[in-house]
Amino acid sequence: EPEVTQTPSHQVTQMGQEVILRCVPISNHLYFYWYRQILGQKVEFLVSFYNNEISEKSEIFDDQFSVERPDGSNFTLKIRSTKLEDSAMYFCASWSLPVPQYFGPGTRLLVL
Amino acid sequence: GNSVTQMEGPVTLSEEAFLTINCTYTATGYPSLFWYVQYPGEGLQLLLKATKADDKGSNKGFEATYRKETTSFHLEKGSVQVSDSAVYFCALSGAGTASKLTFGTGTRLQVTL
Repeated sequence: EPEVTQTPSHQVTQMGQEVILRCVPISNHLYFYWYRQILGQKVEFLVSFYNNEISEKSEIFDDQFSVERPDGSNFTLKIRSTKLEDSAMYFCASWSLPVPQYFGPGTRLLVL
Repeated sequence: GNSVTQMEGPVTLSEEAFLTINCTYTATGYPSLFWYVQYPGEGLQLLLKATKADDKGSNKGFEATYRKETTSFHLEKGSVQVSDSAVYFCALSGAGTASKLTFGTGTRLQVTL
């Protein structure tokens, strides 16, 4: 069965550092998403991406965040200057008809 | 905006017990409804879905019926197993399947022998 993969599985960083979270979506999918889950809270939508541009973003997705699909297979989320409150599990998802969104296993980010 | 409310966990059941996890939603238009499951150390997996009112989604013995009149999508299973221990998330997507998912808080289920 096809799957979405994410690297790294865990990332520890210092406040103010840049991090890049990587995802490999399912190869024939067209829509890509990032969600995050702060410990004990809801899974929250961050951004969706289609046709090499952002199609929707949430209030959380401010100027510190960016996404790109640099090489046609990877889909990355960059946080330019991490804050303590960015500590969370980050999930990548991809989608194309007719199936619902497939999720990756997540990257657990800890900002110290 | 859209929102999903799930019953609080954790839910602890003995093996073979009946499971209900309540989920209600608020949405405009005609959302699609989903249950996702997260096993320890793994990502979110789709468990079942329903795309219109009165649809029943089912998978692995789990069922949920899309009730528009009560804006609910409760998850049920007649006889749970230890292997069902996981966190269960109710979610909806707005009109247009490409739209973002809005999740509930998740309900942790622990099944004991």
